[in-house]
Amino acid sequence: NAGVTQTPKFQVLKTGQSMTLQCAQDMNHEYMSWYRQDPGMGLRLIHYSVGAGITDQGEVPNGYNVSRSTTEDFPLRLLSAAPSQTSVYFCASSLAGGYPYNEQFFGPGTRLTVL
Amino acid sequence: AQSVAQPEDQVNVAEGNPLTVKCTYSVSGNPYLFWYVQYPNRGLQFLLKYITGDNLVKGSYGFEAEFNKSQTSFHLKKPSALVSDSALYFCAGKGSSASKIIFGSGTRLSIRP
Repeated sequence: NAGVTQTPKFQVLKTGQSMTLQCAQDMNHEYMSWYRQDPGMGLRLIHYSVGAGITDQGEVPNGYNVSRSTTEDFPLRLLSAAPSQTSVYFCASSLAGGYPYNEQFFGPGTRLTVL
Repeated sequence: AQSVAQPEDQVNVAEGNPLTVKCTYSVSGNPYLFWYVQYPNRGLQFLLKYITGDNLVKGSYGFEAEFNKSQTSFHLKKPSALVSDSALYFCAGKGSSASKIIFGSGTRLSIRP
C-alpha cells in the first residue's frame, strides 16, 4: 500500500493564482481531512469528509474548497492564493466508521509559498 | 470551546534518562486523546490513543501515556530516551460532544547523547 500520497511536494504561487493540492489514499478509508501546519500553532483543520459526496468545514475553511467524488481522492483547491496561505498542508485519512476513535494516517505534506 | 495545550515548546533530555512531554485538555463530555510524532520533512505518525479503559496506555516505540481525569492531563512518557526519539510531538483530542479533533501546538523533544 502506498498509504496517503500528496502532490506536489513543493509549490510557489503568486498572489491571486489558483491551484489544487492533490491527496489520494489506497486504504479504503472513508474519513479524510486537510490540515495546515504553521509554526507555533500546531495543525488546524481546514475541511474534512466522512465519505464520498460528503464534506464539511473545519476551523479555517476560508479561501479553500474541497470535493469528494471518490473514496480515494480528496483534492484541496485554493481559489485565489494569498500570502497568509503560505504553510505546510497535510492530508490525512482514517478507517471507515472510526472517526474519531481511530488514528489518522498522514501524507508527507505539501509546502506552499505564496508571494 | 474545547482546547488541547502543550505547555512546553521544547524538552531536552539526556539519552538513557526518562522523558515526559506534557499535554492538558479541556473538552466537553468524555475525552478522546491521541499522541502523534513528526520527524523532519515527514507527515505525522500515530503513537497511541486513549478512548476508554486503563489510564496507562502503551504505544509504539516504547512510549506510554498516562490519562489523569482529575488533572485533565495526558502526558507522554518513556522510561529511557533514545537519540532517535528526537522529533516534534503533538497531542490531539476531542470531547464526545464535539465533532472535530483539536491539535496542540507541538513540543520539540531533543535527546542529547
